[in-house]
Amino acid sequence: DAKTTQPNSMESNEEEPVHLPCNHSTISGTDYIHWYRQLPSQGPEYVIHGLTSNVNNRMASLAIAEDRKSSTLILHRATLRDAAVYYCILMRMIHTNTGNQFYFGTGTSLTVIP
Amino acid sequence: DTEVTQTPKHLVMGMTNKKSLKCEQHMGHRAMYWYKQKAKKPPELMFVYSYEKLSINESVPSRFSPECPNSSLLNLHLHALQPEDSALYLCASSQLMGGELFFGEGSRLTVL
Repeated sequence: DAKTTQPNSMESNEEEPVHLPCNHSTISGTDYIHWYRQLPSQGPEYVIHGLTSNVNNRMASLAIAEDRKSSTLILHRATLRDAAVYYCILMRMIHTNTGNQFYFGTGTSLTVIP
Repeated sequence: DTEVTQTPKHLVMGMTNKKSLKCEQHMGHRAMYWYKQKAKKPPELMFVYSYEKLSINESVPSRFSPECPNSSLLNLHLHALQPEDSALYLCASSQLMGGELFFGEGSRLTVL
């Protein structure tokens, strides 16, 4: 399994930036770094993913270390709706015809304080 | 349509029952997945199907039997389950060559 390590919980004030760290020291060259979040009683929701370069989308930014052994999900202005469990995942393509292996880390529970 | 639909949302079954969980997607994804999630734990990968064939089985007990009858449907057949199998079962789909996972809302299973 491709392993990721995240802090169990973090807090942020509303409308402030949040930096969620993830360590993945066993990452291999072809593993993609994915982030998902999960609200209570819902399935996980895609946030962002990347391979080597930093990535931005409408939800967040992903900063990837040069050695790829760690990454940081950045929420630029936290809102109450961003309170969720955030999972950092390494996605490994085994073969073009066998699908992908997505293994979830333990996740970080983000609390947003009004 | 970017939805993955799972039915039923809730299921209660006895240890001698046979039941099935169903999952459907119409995004043309050729990879489909089953995950199991216990309370306050991350999802655990159970099975991966690609081109309607089982490609990954994460050493799941045989009382769980997956089936992919066509490219849009994924079933999980349940038989002789144990109370510790009670969990949220999540279905997901993706393109074969990477890209994001699309999850359903899950089927919450209780085994009595």
